[in-house]
Amino acid sequence: DIQMTQSPSSLSASVGDRVTITCRASQGIRQDLGWYQQQPGKAPKRLIYAISTLEGGVPSRFSGSGSETEFTLTISSLRPEDFATYFCLQYGLSPWTFGQGTKVEIK
Amino acid sequence: QVRLVQSGAEVKKPGASVKISCRASGYTFNYYYLHWVRQTPGQGLEWMGMIGPGDGSTTYSQTFQGRVTLTTDTSTSAVFMELNSLTSEDTAVYYCARQFWSLDYWGQGTLVTVS
Repeated sequence: DIQMTQSPSSLSASVGDRVTITCRASQGIRQDLGWYQQQPGKAPKRLIYAISTLEGGVPSRFSGSGSETEFTLTISSLRPEDFATYFCLQYGLSPWTFGQGTKVEIK
Repeated sequence: QVRLVQSGAEVKKPGASVKISCRASGYTFNYYYLHWVRQTPGQGLEWMGMIGPGDGSTTYSQTFQGRVTLTTDTSTSAVFMELNSLTSEDTAVYYCARQFWSLDYWGQGTLVTVS
């Protein structure tokens, strides 16, 4: 199985900060990487797929980058509604696997 | 609009089985694979398997192989996830989700408590 190592597991930031979250895959997954945001008690919401393609309606302050084994989600300027947990998902090889999540908290 | 609506919360005894439904609307049911994912505080998000609604073809995670069965009913645009031999470690929120590239639309989740 492909292991997805996500870091950090949590971070504290202020409104307006730039935030970067990383996922490392245990082997190459081409472009089959997505990012999700989850608010407490809600289902995950897709932000990005295919490394860097923004889901419709997702603000442009979210961006994704990377290739093969190292991938990054960046929030360019944190807004109050962005405080949530973020996950990566690799869908290149079965079984699909998720990162352990990054909780973004208010400083 | 695309919607995936899951059945309600369940409480089960250890050793029992649970069957959760996921009803799709707002798109052509047969065109997209549907997946099941569960979420626990300890293990995070775990992919369980996927089903092709049109032909019922399935792929299961080895973690759940032999304990999980995915089925489909095209007449009601629904997929079902049955998990057998429940233990306390199966206490989780279970989600269905549609595949478009990765998983685009998700159900609201179904809490299964094994106690």
